[in-house]
Amino acid sequence: DTGVSQNPRHKITKRGQNVTFRCDPISEHNRLYWYRQTLGQGPEFLTYFQNEAQLEKSRLLSDRFSAERPKGSFSTLEIQRTEQGDSAMYLCASSFAGYEQYFGPGTRLTVT
Amino acid sequence: ELKVEQNPLFLSMQEGKNYTIYCNYSTTSDRLYWYRQDPGKSLESLFVLLSNGAVKQEGRLMASLDTKARLSTLHITAAVHDLSATYFCAVDISGGGADGLTFGKGTHLIIQP
Repeated sequence: DTGVSQNPRHKITKRGQNVTFRCDPISEHNRLYWYRQTLGQGPEFLTYFQNEAQLEKSRLLSDRFSAERPKGSFSTLEIQRTEQGDSAMYLCASSFAGYEQYFGPGTRLTVT
Repeated sequence: ELKVEQNPLFLSMQEGKNYTIYCNYSTTSDRLYWYRQDPGKSLESLFVLLSNGAVKQEGRLMASLDTKARLSTLHITAAVHDLSATYFCAVDISGGGADGLTFGKGTHLIIQP
């Protein structure tokens, strides 16, 4: 399968713990995006990378959220000190040069 | 701030009928996307509309874009049960994805036999 992959697919954590999600984009895609989707809503843009550079991060929800893309390949999204309101589906997408975005299967986070 | 509004948000229809989903957006853009999402699944790209007057068709689905009216439509012809899903439109105002995509709330479509 050469599509976008995300791990883990499900994560249950206790409030206050840190979590990290991984996204592996389609190999020839230079742009990578993170979105959050809550129940009954459309995805909400969080941040994006072009190669290893994070070009937009003002839309990250708080300073507890951070993302990296070392070497311009896979990316990680970390949430520190999780809160119940962080429970959502976290989606990763990739594209080539800003064209059509292809989405991964998502990581569903449940904070108890 | 860009707003993307879809209507209806919920649609129940019978197989064989035709219907149209509307997507209005508030800021100039000539890039609009339609995605399909099945319950618990990720988003599947349906159409990419890149210019005023663009029309694309795939099977029973046809999408169009009117950038002057800031309106896109997704038309369903002779609906079948397999088309039951949530459909999202998404707008790219930066022209290159730099601001991400702004999604509507989605149209939850149920097609009954």
